Amino acid sequence: GESVGLHLPTLSVQEGDNSIINCAYSNSASDYFIWYKQESGKGPQFIIDIRSNMDKRQGQRVTVLLNKTVKHLSLQIAATQPGDSAVYFCAENISDAGNMLTFGGGTRLMVKP
Amino acid sequence: EAGVAQSPRYKIIEKRQSVAFWCNPISGHATLYWYQQILGQGPKLLIQFQNNGVVDDSQLPKDRFSAERLKGVDSTLKIQPAKLEDSAVYLCASSLGPNYRAYEQYFGPGTRLTVT
Repeated sequence: GESVGLHLPTLSVQEGDNSIINCAYSNSASDYFIWYKQESGKGPQFIIDIRSNMDKRQGQRVTVLLNKTVKHLSLQIAATQPGDSAVYFCAENISDAGNMLTFGGGTRLMVKP
Repeated sequence: EAGVAQSPRYKIIEKRQSVAFWCNPISGHATLYWYQQILGQGPKLLIQFQNNGVVDDSQLPKDRFSAERLKGVDSTLKIQPAKLEDSAVYLCASSLGPNYRAYEQYFGPGTRLTVT
């Protein structure tokens, strides 16, 4: 079946640098794309979402870009901090399918001091 | 605001034994989800409740897994009998409901199950 996936399993960045986490999706029927952050021993935490009719959305230190032409999603974190170290998941949501989330495999972000 | 509560946090059982997990969602959240997260993978939805009714349980292995949300608040997930491949973290999540940002789900800390 169609699924959401990620390009890189681990990303290591220097504190203060910008981070970019990528995700490829295959279901063009998705209404929303969402990024979740999961710290060790905790459940995933909602970060930011983007609707399928948008190509960019900004939050606090985070920006999500959506390229529907190539079915690509990215999460940019500005001035990465040690507290950003976690596993990041992209997920897709189809409103007509009961609003269920389909998660990708995750990228681990490691921030070096 | 209190978050999603789950218990126990850890459980170790032998294969063929039974186990139950409990979840208390955020107050006022009508929708409750149970996910299975195998190490190194993203969460996989097992079952979704809307109040006390099942919205989707297509990925729930019904021969061994069962879940209920009798009063539309707390929920329990049971595995009987457990298999080695059931070793995973079981996450409970809740959201306000189907009509507003249903994809913004709040997750509990999970129950880490080890089947030996």
